[in-house]
Amino acid sequence: NAGVTQTPKFQVLKTGQSMTLQCAQDMNHNSMYWYRQDPGMGLRLIYYSASEGTTDKGEVPNGYNVSRLNKREFSLRLESAAPSQTSVYFCATDRGLNGYTFGSGTRLTVV
Amino acid sequence: ILNVEQSPQSLHVQEGDSTNFTCSFPSSNFYALHWYRWETAKSPEALFVMTLNGDEKKKGRISATLNTKEGYSYLYIKGSQPEDSATYLCAFSNDYKLSFGAGTTVTVRA
Repeated sequence: NAGVTQTPKFQVLKTGQSMTLQCAQDMNHNSMYWYRQDPGMGLRLIYYSASEGTTDKGEVPNGYNVSRLNKREFSLRLESAAPSQTSVYFCATDRGLNGYTFGSGTRLTVV
Repeated sequence: ILNVEQSPQSLHVQEGDSTNFTCSFPSSNFYALHWYRWETAKSPEALFVMTLNGDEKKKGRISATLNTKEGYSYLYIKGSQPEDSATYLCAFSNDYKLSFGAGTTVTVRA
């Protein structure tokens, strides 16, 4: 999607491995978000950052950490991956009354 | 955790027919109600952001209404077309983060 870039698009991890999902936006938005999407459950908020230098827990933060490196970048780290973290991960930014812009997603499988 | 419920979970509609479905959300501390359209293998795309009780928004054949006092919003699709097939998400905000419903998946049969 225009403006929000996520990498990688696909990843397979073994249980216990670590990885970082990258998200970058070029729209100069303050707020950025990480969601996970699981079948039948909709999008659930993992962490968010209301502005550069601040981060807060969302609905399902356990097992994750985040870094708001600068205004453009908001990364999500899995320190020790577990099969329960198999999901599709979306990064998003807030365009106010125009809604959120989502990245293209990262499909993560933990075996 | 904010309870946002959408019904039905899925529906099938004949091409040319109209349809509608519901999003219910907490009626207290309302800030905004969003609707997104999510096609398979793509990312959710914003349709509407509504902030005022009684708001009505329209984009082409798709429209939405909002009742913040009773905590519900309707999305309407008029004259459904195959390209309307998607999952429609609503999301509620009482501050600057959104809580999403599980979505209504619409399948339009030609």
